Amino acid sequence: AQTVTQSQPEMSVQEAETVTLSCTYDTSESNYYLFWYKQPPSRQMILVIRQEAYKQQNATENRFSVNFQKAAKSFSLKISDSQLGDTAMYFCAFTEPISNFGNEKLTFGTGTRLTIIP
Amino acid sequence: DVKVTQSSRYLVKRTGEKVFLECVQDMDHENMFWYRQDPGLGLRLIYFSYDVKMKEKGDIPEGYSVSREKKERFSLILESASTNQTSMYLCASSPPIHRQGDGYTFGSGTRLTVV
Repeated sequence: AQTVTQSQPEMSVQEAETVTLSCTYDTSESNYYLFWYKQPPSRQMILVIRQEAYKQQNATENRFSVNFQKAAKSFSLKISDSQLGDTAMYFCAFTEPISNFGNEKLTFGTGTRLTIIP
Repeated sequence: DVKVTQSSRYLVKRTGEKVFLECVQDMDHENMFWYRQDPGLGLRLIYFSYDVKMKEKGDIPEGYSVSREKKERFSLILESASTNQTSMYLCASSPPIHRQGDGYTFGSGTRLTVV
């Protein structure tokens, strides 16, 4: 089975610091998408950032960036200048095929609970 | 603003009851999914549908069924609720294959407690 591993169940950092969340995955596909989702206490899953495996350049979205190492199957998320609103559960996920029609599903990791300390 | 709406935020049901969890999306997405979220286990796929009246089993379909009579609505059915089905249930939708990089849009979840 293809899997996603998030080895840090919980992390906490001081406000304004930088934090990196790790994620490794296992897939036999050559092209796929990788995602980081954020789930705050409101429970609404929010897409933070995405990366296409064919693209070597690491994706960035404002304070959020990734370090994508395809050969190592690693996809870490860096949050710079962390803010109180970044407190949430963070899930790493990637696409894998689920049907003969080319449809795909997202396979998720177990999540990292991040707390930003004032 | 595009939306995936789950009919109930909290639900308490008794063991053996038939339970319906409803999900409606307004984005004209072909694909819809039901996930279950449990602490330490992440999100696990129960069922998905890529067209009206089409459904496929995910990773943990036992004890569940689904219905998709209209494109915008995807229902999860617990035929006879059991206590081990106490969980958070998340519905999601996504565009067709060529736009898979768009990811999913999620509903805000239904926390189901079976007593």
